[in-house]
Amino acid sequence: GNSVTQMEGPVTLSEEAFLTINCTYTATGYPSLFWYVQYPGEGLQLLLKATKADDKGSNKGFEATYRKETTSFHLEKGSVQVSDSAVYFCALSDASGSEKLVFGKGTKLTVNP
Amino acid sequence: GAGVSQSPSNKVTEKGKDVELRCDPISGHTALYWYRQSLGQGLEFLIYFQGNSAPDKSGLPSDRFSAERTGGSVSTLTIQRTQQEDSAVYLCASSFTGPNSNSPLHFGNGTRLTVT
Repeated sequence: GNSVTQMEGPVTLSEEAFLTINCTYTATGYPSLFWYVQYPGEGLQLLLKATKADDKGSNKGFEATYRKETTSFHLEKGSVQVSDSAVYFCALSDASGSEKLVFGKGTKLTVNP
Repeated sequence: GAGVSQSPSNKVTEKGKDVELRCDPISGHTALYWYRQSLGQGLEFLIYFQGNSAPDKSGLPSDRFSAERTGGSVSTLTIQRTQQEDSAVYLCASSFTGPNSNSPLHFGNGTRLTVT
């Protein structure tokens, strides 16, 4: 079945450091890919998405490119801020079935000043 | 309210008791999801409702778990004869259509269930 594997955390960085959170997926067909973020004390919210191969999703300085050849959707940010501290979830939707979202286990990011 | 509302926010129950968790989706959203978030386990899909279609129940872990959605709006997740391993945060989400559309999932803040 469909699955998502993302790097295990926690990840701790200093402010202005470069961030990469790896995400790879297994799916039949052509799923859409997502990054969701959960800030402390808040609900999950969509960060960015990409619906087809080579698409790049971007938001709030974060980017991720849908790479079909490597089945990956790595999240990157060039210069993180303390306010980026959160748990990040990679997810895919089953394009051929009921469209339910399948999530990775989440990666906790802490950015120190 | 403007967001997805879940109640109660916290629930402590004794092993063997039944519990009901409620979700009020955003008005007009046709899709509604239940997920379970356990420490170190990410988000586990439980059940998905889309309009008048038969729900996708493929994620329900046992027959102790059931969910319904009345009138295409409010949903209730019921866990019968709760076990300690049921302790988790139960999240509800809704969207205007499926996630492959331009409408993202909007999550509630969850119900933290503790089974003692």
